[in-house]
Order: sequence, then structure tokens, then C-alpha cells
Amino acid sequence: QSALTQPASVSGSPGQSITISCTGTSSDVGGYNLVSWYQQHPGKAPKLMIYEVTKRPSGVSDRFSGSKSGNTASLTVSGLQAEDEADYYCCSFAGSRTLVFGTGTKVAVL
Amino acid sequence: QVTLRESGPALVRPTQTLTLTCSFSGFSLSTSGMCVNWVRQPPGKALEWLAFIDWEDDKYYTRSLKNRLTISQDTSKNQVVLTMTNMDPVDTATYYCARIRETSGSYSFDFWGQGTLVTVSS
Repeated sequence: QSALTQPASVSGSPGQSITISCTGTSSDVGGYNLVSWYQQHPGKAPKLMIYEVTKRPSGVSDRFSGSKSGNTASLTVSGLQAEDEADYYCCSFAGSRTLVFGTGTKVAVL
Repeated sequence: QVTLRESGPALVRPTQTLTLTCSFSGFSLSTSGMCVNWVRQPPGKALEWLAFIDWEDDKYYTRSLKNRLTISQDTSKNQVVLTMTNMDPVDTATYYCARIRETSGSYSFDFWGQGTLVTVSS
């Protein structure tokens, strides 16, 4: 159950698109279509942004999208806005009803 | 609406046992597919999944802490309790409880509590 690997930071200008990667193994990310993504603003609880790799919960902007290829999942934020500046975490089912989070990515809007 | 709220001591001494309570409303843990989890986050660090309890009272733990964790439920009170033994300063973190609706098959945390900061210090 090693943490999934994410880049420490990603930045972009308003209006641009950014992509955050989340790399695991065939025992977690690659083995199940059960990757979720969370946005966390300072001092706040995480918020579900993407589940089952590509699905968006009701109320989440369609600027957020998810994908997966092999052992790597990705979150793309299009039309970057100031309010998107936050920490982002991926999470994957890892079998036997266990879960593993990513190392986290700080997104900066320049 | 679904809400979760964590409660417990803000300060714990090294070697003591931590007991945290997650009080929830808007769903029942006796409903098929409902699960409550504990997740923690040391200051400035990443989220870490700790434990999972489901509607059938099945329990699962992160491998690295399995020997120190116990998760339990009081269905009548809509509460889930996490105990962690032999606390150490590295266990200083904000502890969150969060719901998973397994019936949806998604294994994603759709609702979270606001978190409670636990500091381990002598």
C-alpha cells in the first residue's frame, strides 16, 4: 500500500489547462476503474471532484475531467480559474476493500 | 442532508490510546452499501486512508497501522469510533471521517467531516 505518485506542484495561467498525473501499480490504479480525485483548499476538508476515473458528481464544474491509461490516472482542469488554486489528491481502490491516496499536488494559478 | 462530525481530544500524550468518534446524520450505517472511513492528514502532508467499516460490520485497515487501529460502530447512535493505540508524535494529524456508498460501486468519499486536529505531545 505505497502512496500513489503525483507531481508536487503544477501551475498555469488563468484560462489555461493543466493536467495532474497519478501513478500507481497494477494492484491499484491499473487494476480497477476506481480512481477518484479530491480538491482541498487550505484548512478545509477534501471535496470529491471525480470518481470512477471519469465521472463528475453533481455540482462539479465540467472544467474538471479525468482519464486513465495503464497504471496512471490523470486529472485535467480546463479554463483554469483563481478558485482552482488548491491541493489535489488522487485515490484508488487497492483491493480487499482498502484504498490508497496519492502524494498530493499543489496547483498554483499564476 | 448528509453530515459527518468528528470529535475527540485535541491533545494526547505519547503512548496513550486515542479514541475518536464520528457522529453522522442523513444516512444509516445499517443500510446496505453504506460505509464509513477514517482518513488522516499530518500538518502540511498528504491524506492517508486508515480504516473502513461497512453496513455488515466488516472492517478493513491500512496495513501499516493495522495492529494499532480498531474501528467500531454504534448503529443506534449513528456513530463510528476509531481507536489508535500507542500514540506517537508522528501521529499528529487532522483526522477525518468520510462516507463511501458502496452500492454505487464507486469507492469514493462523497461526504466528509470537517476534521479534528489531534496533537501528540508530552
